[in-house]
Amino acid sequence: ETGVTQTPRHLVMGMTNKKSLKCEQHLGHNAMYWYKQSAKKPLELMFVYNLKEQTENNSVPSRFSPECPNSSHLFLHLHTLQPEDSALYLCASSQGLASGALTDTQYFGPGTRLTVL
Amino acid sequence: AQSVSQHNHHVILSEAASLELGCNYSYGGTVNLFWYVQYPGQHLQLLLKYFSGDPLVKGIKGFEAEFIKSKFSFNLRKPSVQWSDTAEYFCAVSDMDTGRRALTFGSGTRLQVQP
Repeated sequence: ETGVTQTPRHLVMGMTNKKSLKCEQHLGHNAMYWYKQSAKKPLELMFVYNLKEQTENNSVPSRFSPECPNSSHLFLHLHTLQPEDSALYLCASSQGLASGALTDTQYFGPGTRLTVL
Repeated sequence: AQSVSQHNHHVILSEAASLELGCNYSYGGTVNLFWYVQYPGQHLQLLLKYFSGDPLVKGIKGFEAEFIKSKFSFNLRKPSVQWSDTAEYFCAVSDMDTGRRALTFGSGTRLQVQP
């Protein structure tokens, strides 16, 4: 596959469950991102990783735990979620800003539609 | 902090009509500007981007956008829309001065093109 892939595409979980979302990028990028897309709200940044190191956490509750084992893979571990966490979770990747780079374009995966019961 | 405003939340047009979607951002420094499109059931795709040079940017599928720095705007245009342009359109900005890679998105504009 090419581009950015996400699994699963759909997930239904109870508030006491533990589950993980997976993202893989096949573009040779250095930076990866998690975004949350809720109904009637702008896409919200959750986390940024560059070369496996977390560089940004946008005040995300600890029930969301990211993991980036290498530059190609990004996980989002979920536990004790709330119904208001139901949303589309999008992963993106980009080359990352190198010295003197003028631009950095993000490419998005299809998302995981999460429903918390 | 950066914020992005898309004033048109839902636009309904007939085929062949002209389109202009507004986008304004708040931060006045050096920015990269993007328009993404999300077709029904599909993932976000890059439509076009601006980072420097000619403020009139041409993208895929006949779309273009004009960066007007004095107005903090990056409006999307298409002279003649097609039914296949029905989608949600998102404006996004990244602040190059801070080196912050993440995008700040607008709330999106849902475009419905009627045949």
